[in-house]
Amino acid sequence: EAQVTQNPRYLITVTGKKLTVTCSQNMNHEYMSWYRQDPGLGLRQIYYSMNVEVTDKGDVPEGYKVSRKEKRNFPLILESPSPNQTSLYFCASSSANTDTQYFGPGTRLTVL
Amino acid sequence: KQEVTQIPAALSVPEGENLVLNCSFTDSAIYNLQWFRQDPGKGLTSLLLIQSSQREQTSGRLNASLDKSSGRSTLYIAASQPGDSATYLCAVKRIVANSKLTFGKGITLSVRP
Repeated sequence: EAQVTQNPRYLITVTGKKLTVTCSQNMNHEYMSWYRQDPGLGLRQIYYSMNVEVTDKGDVPEGYKVSRKEKRNFPLILESPSPNQTSLYFCASSSANTDTQYFGPGTRLTVL
Repeated sequence: KQEVTQIPAALSVPEGENLVLNCSFTDSAIYNLQWFRQDPGKGLTSLLLIQSSQREQTSGRLNASLDKSSGRSTLYIAASQPGDSATYLCAVKRIVANSKLTFGKGITLSVRP
């Protein structure tokens, strides 16, 4: 089954404790992105990647890091999480050919 | 800077009604526009994608149209059902070679039995 998976789905952590949210897709897609969704602000892009070793900042990259060492994986790293990073995070992927976006189920992160 | 607006933020209709959801964008230089559905606490599911050269796309009871020059798109849902209750978001992709999407804030639709 074609899908985008994210782990963990739920995470409660404390300020300053480094964490990684994993994202993996099994569709051999070139493009991958991370978004955060906040009430009243909608979905905003954090980082995106056009292919292996190619990443670029989205609209709200501060406080986040990403890497794309393999085509299928695109982890989101929070080196020193802060309470304003409490949000619902989505990973998405798409093919360069079709452009239809496939979203993961989301990761709800709470930073205390 | 591209801005995408969806008004109203919420809509409640009786079952069986045909309805139209609106999406407007400020920069007409778009590559494509997508409509998504989001159920509470879930991820987004792509419903329809319209390329900038197209006027409309259809899938089952859904029809999406695009008028680039006026910066508008509509999602038409025929014979609405309670199972259509969800949040509907539109997103535009800029006319550059990357995967950046700009989303509207969505319309939360409730279809009453």
